[in-house]
Amino acid sequence: EVQLVESGGRVERPGGSLRLSCEASGFIFDDYGMNWVRQAPGKGLEWVSGIDRNGDSTHYAESVKGRFTISRDNAKSVLYLQINSLRVEDTALYHCARDFSPYGSSSAMAVWGQGTTVTVSS
Amino acid sequence: SYVLTQAPSVSVAPGLTATITCGGPNITTKSVHWYQQKPGQAPVLVVYDDKVRPSGIPERFSGSKSGNTATLTISRVEAGDEAVYYCQVWDRTSDRVFGGGTKLAVL
Repeated sequence: EVQLVESGGRVERPGGSLRLSCEASGFIFDDYGMNWVRQAPGKGLEWVSGIDRNGDSTHYAESVKGRFTISRDNAKSVLYLQINSLRVEDTALYHCARDFSPYGSSSAMAVWGQGTTVTVSS
Repeated sequence: SYVLTQAPSVSVAPGLTATITCGGPNITTKSVHWYQQKPGQAPVLVVYDDKVRPSGIPERFSGSKSGNTATLTISRVEAGDEAVYYCQVWDRTSDRVFGGGTKLAVL
């Protein structure tokens, strides 16, 4: 079964840091680009960051550039998101999502995890 | 930054057809994808590359594009189709972009 399971979310103070993880199973991890998409409480989906198959190319939404770092460990089939300088507005459910097709031929995201919750509060 | 515009809500009676639209500049030049999200669940891809249904998605779901608008059409609407639907594209300046979402209410 193709599956993504996120972890690492917690309550953190503004200015703090945390690292989210996403464990993949059921598919060849290093065939696919991966993404993080977040959803603030009661709000819509916001793409946050993406990384290509090899980890050589990374992309970020303007709202998180300079604070978030996406990375992956293909040997372990794990995707990461390092979040620094946390802000209240980073409070959200963070999903990892797999590209629909291998080798990046489509920007659709076909496999989603259930998400991990980050709450930023003083 | 690139912006996709969706109506906040659409209502339809069971058995009828729901039309959900997504507008954006030059959307005709972009591949549009559609996701369904039910409360407490992760999004599910229901249409990709404008009009292609992934395996397991009912034929009742179809996508199209005309002018500056992409459309998700759900035929013979069922109570289980009640959800928020998001469109998404890739843009050269903004990377992946989602619309604000349309809540489909089945009356």
